[in-house]
Amino acid sequence: GENVEQHPSTLSVQEGDSAVIKCTYSDSASNYFPWYKQELGKGPQLIIDIRSNVGEKKDQRIAVTLNKTAKHFSLHITETQPEDSAVYFCAASINNDMRFGAGTRLTVKP
Amino acid sequence: GAGVSQSPRYKVAKRGQDVALRCDPISGHVSLFWYQQALGQGPEFLTYFQNEAQLDKSGLPSDRFFAERPEGSVSTLKIQRTQQEDSAVYLCASSLAGQGYEQYFGPGTRLTVT
Repeated sequence: GENVEQHPSTLSVQEGDSAVIKCTYSDSASNYFPWYKQELGKGPQLIIDIRSNVGEKKDQRIAVTLNKTAKHFSLHITETQPEDSAVYFCAASINNDMRFGAGTRLTVKP
Repeated sequence: GAGVSQSPRYKVAKRGQDVALRCDPISGHVSLFWYQQALGQGPEFLTYFQNEAQLDKSGLPSDRFFAERPEGSVSTLKIQRTQQEDSAVYLCASSLAGQGYEQYFGPGTRLTVT
């Protein structure tokens, strides 16, 4: 089955800096790659996603890139703000089977 | 509009008790998913419904776990004879359709088995 690796497990940046989180997946049939943000005591919130026919997608300060050949995808957050502090999860999906990475705890220092 | 809701938000059960966790998906969402999230880990798939049909239950860890969605809307995850290793957050997600569509998560139910 699909296996998703995510790194780093923790990331600390200064407010205004950029943050990058990387994930790799094992099954080349995966075709949908969402990113979720989870704050303490809440469920994961979908922040951006990308499908296998697209290489890059951007939404304001957030962008995601996908390299199908290498089977990896990345989340980029620019101009980070303290409210970006949370745990971020990547996921890879084949049809209804979605597998998550172990998460990255991002801390943005004011 | 209303998102996915789950109840109770917190549940403490003594080992051996049965528990029932409820999920109300977003209105009109065809697909419903249950996940288990251990502390410090990502969600792990348990089971999937399309309308009232349970199409995949390959992630259920044992036959003590049972899920239903009899009318294709509200779903219940039942755990019989709870064990300490069942302690986790149980997340429900719904999506408009099944394949490659965005899944929207509820706040989860934190189950603690003592």
